[in-house]
Amino acid sequence: DADVTQTPRNRITKTGKRIMLECSQTKGHDRMYWYRQDPGLGLRLIYYSFDVKDINKGEISDGYSVSRQAQAKFSLSLESAIPNQTALYFCATSDRTGGSSGANVLTFGAGSRLTVL
Amino acid sequence: QKEVEQDPGPLSVPEGAIVSLNCTYSNSAFQYFMWYRQYSRKGPELLMYTYSSGNKEDGRFTAQVDKSSKYISLFIRDSQPSDSATYLCATSIYNFNKFYFGSGTKLNVKP
Repeated sequence: DADVTQTPRNRITKTGKRIMLECSQTKGHDRMYWYRQDPGLGLRLIYYSFDVKDINKGEISDGYSVSRQAQAKFSLSLESAIPNQTALYFCATSDRTGGSSGANVLTFGAGSRLTVL
Repeated sequence: QKEVEQDPGPLSVPEGAIVSLNCTYSNSAFQYFMWYRQYSRKGPELLMYTYSSGNKEDGRFTAQVDKSSKYISLFIRDSQPSDSATYLCATSIYNFNKFYFGSGTKLNVKP
C-alpha cells in the first residue's frame, strides 16, 4: 500500500458543487500539505498543517478549506468549485524531526485530478 | 521574483547522453536542496537531497549545490529512456518545513 493515499484519483464535477479530496498517510509524519500543480506554474502550496490543531494558509488558499481529522488524515474542500480550480492536487507529508534521513523532505501521494466544468 | 527558478524545457537528448538540469534560487537562508522526479500522471518522488553546498552522487545521478552563486544542478550520466520525466528542484530551510519548488523541467530521452 502507498504511504500517502489520495482519494479520489480522478473527479469531474460542475461549477458550484462542493468537492472534498481526502488524504491519509501511514508514514507517521506529523506535517501534511496540500499542493496544486498546473502546467508551467509548478507546485503551489494551498494549506499546510504541522499537527492536528495547527492549520496554516499557503500561497493560494482562497476558495479552499481544509480539515485535519487526525494525525494521519488531511482533507481539502472546495466549497463551490469553479473552472479555474481544474488542476492536479497533491497531498504530501514530512517529518518534523527529519526522520531517518535527517532531512526535511516531502513524500507525495499519487495525486487527484480534478476537472470543473 | 519566484524563490526558485527553473527552465521548463522540454529537453530532448539521445540515450546515453549526459543531462544537466539547473535551478537558481534567491534566498541565501535555504539549506536543503532536493530533486524530485515526476512521471506522467504520478506524484513527485524524491530523487536526491543535499544539505548546504557540495556534491552528492547516487549511481548515475549527481546533485550539486553552489551556495555562492545560488545554483542547483542535477547531472544524469548515461541517460536512459526510463529517465524521461519531469524533474523538479526544491529548497527548504532546516526545521522550518516550508518548501519552495521550481516549475519543473521536462526531459525526454530518445532511444
